[in-house]
Amino acid sequence: QKEVEQNSGPLSVPEGAIASLNCTYSDRGSQSFFWYRQYSGKSPELIMFIYSNGDKEDGRFTAQLNKASQYVSLLIRDSQPSDSATYLCAAGGANQAGTALIFGKGTTLSVSS
Amino acid sequence: ETGVTQTPRHLVMGMTNKKSLKCEQHLGHNAMYWYKQSAKKPLELMFVYSLEERVENNSVPSRFSPECPNSSHLFLHLHTLQPEDSALYLCASSQEGPLGGSLETQYFGPGTRLLVL
Repeated sequence: QKEVEQNSGPLSVPEGAIASLNCTYSDRGSQSFFWYRQYSGKSPELIMFIYSNGDKEDGRFTAQLNKASQYVSLLIRDSQPSDSATYLCAAGGANQAGTALIFGKGTTLSVSS
Repeated sequence: ETGVTQTPRHLVMGMTNKKSLKCEQHLGHNAMYWYKQSAKKPLELMFVYSLEERVENNSVPSRFSPECPNSSHLFLHLHTLQPEDSALYLCASSQEGPLGGSLETQYFGPGTRLLVL
């Protein structure tokens, strides 16, 4: 059973702090990793994707991937109240038609002003 | 229209009704997906059409029936649903490579909020 694990939270951080969201995955064959943000009642929207070990930065967001540890993280710098949402981690990429992303349950982030 | 669109956005139906959810992608992708999202549960893949192949998820009850007439349109036909089927139904699309697989970003539609009475 392929799984993606995330702490459900809530993770509470003050405005301006760094929020750190973590995710582990069970399938060593996974090759692509995605972070989606989902506001309550809305559909998921892509924040970042990462394929290679190391860090990938995009504005206030940094994704980190460690394939040896099967670990993915998302850092949000200078957290804003508008970042309050559920963050979904997903893993995919088995080079087989019809294989879709495996999603975690999501971590709820609350940024207080 | 851009991205992935879904209609209707909200649907209330009785257990004896038949209804259909519609999804259309305007991204030129070759794979489309139906997901179910219930409270406190991860996104659950229901069906995927990828590289013109339909991959069935055997755990989905037969009261859900997908249809993909072409690469841009996807339907989910519903009949004799149960109250526990109430959820947010999300459609997504992606561009898969020659070997398939979910290497590429999936883009989601806004979802259909379904309530079964």
